[in-house]
Order: sequence, then C-alpha cells, then structure tokens
Amino acid sequence: AQKITQTQPGMFVQEKEAVTLDCTYDTSDPSYGLFWYKQPSSGEMIFLIYQGSYDQQNATEGRYSLNFQKARKSANLVISASQLGDSAMYFCAMRAGIQGAQKLVFGQGTRLTINP
Amino acid sequence: ETGVTQTPRHLVMGMTNKKSLKCEQHLGHNAMYWYKQSAKKPLELMFVYSLEERVENNSVPSRFSPECPNSSHLFLHLHTLQPEDSALYLCASSPDLGGEHQPQHFGDGTRLSIL
Repeated sequence: AQKITQTQPGMFVQEKEAVTLDCTYDTSDPSYGLFWYKQPSSGEMIFLIYQGSYDQQNATEGRYSLNFQKARKSANLVISASQLGDSAMYFCAMRAGIQGAQKLVFGQGTRLTINP
Repeated sequence: ETGVTQTPRHLVMGMTNKKSLKCEQHLGHNAMYWYKQSAKKPLELMFVYSLEERVENNSVPSRFSPECPNSSHLFLHLHTLQPEDSALYLCASSPDLGGEHQPQHFGDGTRLSIL
C-alpha cells in the first residue's frame, strides 16, 4: 500500500525567507511519481511540481524545488524567497502502480503561513 | 478560464434533498475523478472514470451516485445524505489513467453542507 506522511501540521515563516516542507513516502512499486499541490483558502488544488522515481535530478519550477532523496524516501518541497501569497495548505501526493487505475494518494497537508 | 470547472461552488442541503454536483474539464483529458476532502483528513478518492467508464469505486456509500455522460463531464448525484457528508468535493482530470508522471488537474471544488 502507498502512504504519504507530512509531519508538519503548520509552519510559520517570515516573508522572503526560504521554507522546506517535509514529505516522506512509502511504496513497494519501483516506478512512481511524487507531486506537490498548493491549496489556498478558496479550495482549488494547484499543481506545483513533479518528481519521477527514475529522475536523476531534483525537479525545479521557478521558486519551487523538490529535494528528492530516494534512499530516505523523502521528497521535500523547498520554496525560495517566500511571498505572502504562498500562505496556503500544501499537500504532498504520490501516484504509483504499474497496472490499472493509478491512484493519487495524498498526505495530511502542511499549513504554511507567511508573515510580513 | 480554468481547465476544470465545478458547479456549484457552495451547496447547502437537507438530508432528504436530492442534488447534483457538476464537473467539466476543457483539457481534452480521458480520465476524471471525484475526491472528498473533510476537515483534518487527507483527500479521499471516491470514483475514477476512464473514457466514460467507471474503473474504481472506493467503497463509497450508495447515496453518492456518479455519472459520466462523456469524457468532458462528470456528475455526482446526491440523495439522502448524512451530516458527516459535509465536506469539500473536488473533481480532477488527467490525460489518461496510465502514467505515474501525470499530474491531476483539479477544479475549485464544491463546498457541501448538510443540515
């Protein structure tokens, strides 16, 4: 069974600082994808970044980067130069499975608050 | 215009009412999903459709009835709901089912309150 664990219920960061949101995962599938989503108070789940299990390099998308440590089964999201608009819930998710419908399994989420 | 549109955004209904949630995707995707997001719980996958066929039903009570008339539209018909069904219901789509590299694209959700 696949599982995502986010151990930080809440994070408070000063504007312009970098922040790391933790995510660990568990799967027995050799091929999987890891995703981070942002959910503002409006409710929409916004896709941020993707990392494939066979990718050699860490994924980056603008101010977002993913610190992928396969041996530790961790996929932490790093947001550089945080902005007030980054305040939201952040979810780590995983898709795994070779056959059939591939589920997207989510963690509990981390609520990030950026202080001015 | 967003890729995945859900209506209504908010819905308040009594336990004996019948209502429907609508999802429409403009991305040309073949797979669509319904999720339930309750307070302090991870997102729960409810239903998966691929090319208008239901491929997964995650032990969802029969008071939730999905319908996928075509690959662009997905409905969730609600009847005789319980207070614990109050939650944010999110619709998502992806190009197809296969491919662990494919992100799912979500709508804004329908916030449902059962009186």
